[in-house]
Amino acid sequence: GNSVTQMEGPVTLSEEAFLTINCTYTATGYPSLFWYVQYPGEGLQLLLKATKADDKGSNKGFEATYRKETTSFHLEKGSVQVSDSAVYFCALRLEYSGGGADGLTFGKGTHLIIQP
Amino acid sequence: DARVTQTPRDKVTEMGQEVTMRCQPILGHNTVFWYRQTMKQGLELLAYFRNRAPLDDSGMPKDRFSAEMPDATLATLKIQPSEPRDSAVYFCASGLFTTAAGTQYFGPGTRLTVL
Repeated sequence: GNSVTQMEGPVTLSEEAFLTINCTYTATGYPSLFWYVQYPGEGLQLLLKATKADDKGSNKGFEATYRKETTSFHLEKGSVQVSDSAVYFCALRLEYSGGGADGLTFGKGTHLIIQP
Repeated sequence: DARVTQTPRDKVTEMGQEVTMRCQPILGHNTVFWYRQTMKQGLELLAYFRNRAPLDDSGMPKDRFSAEMPDATLATLKIQPSEPRDSAVYFCASGLFTTAAGTQYFGPGTRLTVL
């Protein structure tokens, strides 16, 4: 079956520190990979995505590269801010030709706390 | 700015009662998903619809849960009878999947507490 494994945290960093949140996956096919962010009391928002090997997704200073050889999609940011404090979810989805897709398979989420 | 809407936002009920959660997907989206979030299990896919037809509900307890799309603007998730273990946040998401890697847009969730 499909699964996603990510560090659960909490991860506590100081403002302007470098961030890495590890994510690895197992999939029966060739998935698209996603990072979602959830702020307290809110739904999930798409942060970035990559649809094939070696693609790099980026948004708001965050980056992640689809590594097929290591089945990984680690999230990085060079300098975090207090406003980045949230829960981050790595997810995969199998896609089908013609535009069909399954639902997302999520990791457990990583709670990120950024201190001033 | 189009958004997925969910009602109610919070629901407290007693064990054995029927619960109905509603979702209005973004206009024009052809796929609707229901997810459940708990501390123990994280985010789990319960069911999803494409063009209002159910495609997969294998994540849903069949004996008490049911999901329907009476029309393109409304998706419902019902629990009857509800149990304390159903306490969770239930998210609806919608997307337009005509090309690969279409984006799913999540609603704000319904927080269900079953006493």
